[in-house]
Amino acid sequence: QSALTQPASVSGSPGQSITISCTGTSSDVGGYNYVSWYQQHPGKAPKLMIYDVSNRPSGVSNRFSGSKSGNTASLTISGLQAEDEADYYCSSYTSSSTLFYVFGTGTKVTVL
Amino acid sequence: EVQLVESGGGLVQPGRSLRLSCAASGFTFDDYAMHWVRQAPGKGLEWVSGISWNSGSIGYADSVKGRFTISRDNAKNSLYLQMNSLRAEDTALYYCAKGSIAAPRGAFDIWGQGTMVTVSS
Repeated sequence: QSALTQPASVSGSPGQSITISCTGTSSDVGGYNYVSWYQQHPGKAPKLMIYDVSNRPSGVSNRFSGSKSGNTASLTISGLQAEDEADYYCSSYTSSSTLFYVFGTGTKVTVL
Repeated sequence: EVQLVESGGGLVQPGRSLRLSCAASGFTFDDYAMHWVRQAPGKGLEWVSGISWNSGSIGYADSVKGRFTISRDNAKNSLYLQMNSLRAEDTALYYCAKGSIAAPRGAFDIWGQGTMVTVSS
């Protein structure tokens, strides 16, 4: 089972919007609405930002939004802020044998 | 406060075994699936294993299948990972993560701080 494909890095200026893609297959991203996104600051545990493709947990800023089209999911951060600089990972449930989940390769977001 | 606290990590020689534990508090443990996710130094996240609320559904990454065993004790609000035949490539920070639903399909909504496992001679 291969990892989901994400761009290695994405950057933007404060106030701008950026989008991170997450490409899988019909056995994971395209087959289920169990795509989630995680933010990880250096030395910290990951934090859930989006679940079930487009839902935000309580306490997560509405500047974060998720969507999916076919085998590709996306995370959009609008009104980019310095505190958004972090690594971001997507994850999807998968139907592959006894493997339940697959993570994306990770994207480093830099605020210019 | 919802909390997950991992323990049991350390330095171990290749081929040896180690057992990780995760103590949960602040939520109804037996209502949710639980997972282990690891992160090798400087690398990305890798899902290792997951278990449903009643241990009826269990899964493993191909990289650990046949060597690692996940289990839970709902009476003790605890999750475990028995790791046998450890390899250098198992070196990583191991996170315990709470599933968002009872079945192992939802997101990982709460994470512990992790316990480091180093496999080296």
